[in-house]
Amino acid sequence: DQQVKQNSPSLSVQEGRISILNCDYTNSMFDYFLWYKKYPAEGPTFLISISSIKDKNEDGRFTVFLNKSAKHLSLHIVPSQPGDSAVYFCAASVGNTGNQFYFGTGTSLTVIP
Amino acid sequence: GAVVSQHPSWVICKSGTSVKIECRSLDFQATTMFWYRQFPKQSLMLMATSNEGSKATYEQGVEKDKFLINHASLTLSTLTVTSAHPEDSSFYICSARDGMTGLDTQYFGPGTRLTVL
Repeated sequence: DQQVKQNSPSLSVQEGRISILNCDYTNSMFDYFLWYKKYPAEGPTFLISISSIKDKNEDGRFTVFLNKSAKHLSLHIVPSQPGDSAVYFCAASVGNTGNQFYFGTGTSLTVIP
Repeated sequence: GAVVSQHPSWVICKSGTSVKIECRSLDFQATTMFWYRQFPKQSLMLMATSNEGSKATYEQGVEKDKFLINHASLTLSTLTVTSAHPEDSSFYICSARDGMTGLDTQYFGPGTRLTVL
C-alpha cells in the first residue's frame, strides 16, 4: 500500500522557470515531511523538510508547501537550473525522532537549458 | 553535512553466493540505520531498520534469513544477501540517523549496485 504518492513520474521545465513537484499522502498520522534529490546510481540527498505545524518552509531556491487538510505537499524550485535535473522523492514519517520514512515513487525533473 | 559511505559501490556475483554490503557513518554516531532497496524507476522500499546492539526490524515481505543485517557498532551496519539469485539484483541503499544530536533527517549512502548472474 503506497502511503505516499507522486503522481507525476516526470516533469520538464525550461531553465529559469518554476518547477513544481507534487506529493500526496494518505496517512493522517504523518507529521514530518522531507524532499530528497537523487542522481542515478547515487544515494538520495536531503533537500528540505517541513513539520506539520508549518505550512511553508523556504531554503534558498527551494520552498516546500504543506496542505494538511488536503494531505498534499509540493516542492517549488525557482528559478530552475539544469543542475536541478534529477529524481525527486518526497518522504513522510510519524514524528522526526527515529521513525521510518515512507517514500513516494519519485518524479524525474528535467530542466531544459 | 553528515557523510555515510557504502562499500562496495558495485558487485557482480554468481547465483548462490553471499554478498556483504557495509554502511558506515563517517562523522557521526548512528544509533539507527535503515536499509532500502530500489528497483529501476521505482521508489525506495524500506527493507529493515537496525538499531545498534539489537536485532533488526524487518518490513513485511522481507526475508530476514536471506537479508542478514548486523549493526554491531554506532558507525557500522552490514547487510548480507545470502544465497543471492538474479531476482536479488538491485540497488541497495543505506541511511543513518544521527542519534547524538537528534538531527531530524536521514543521511543516505551512495548505494550499492548488486548484479547476480
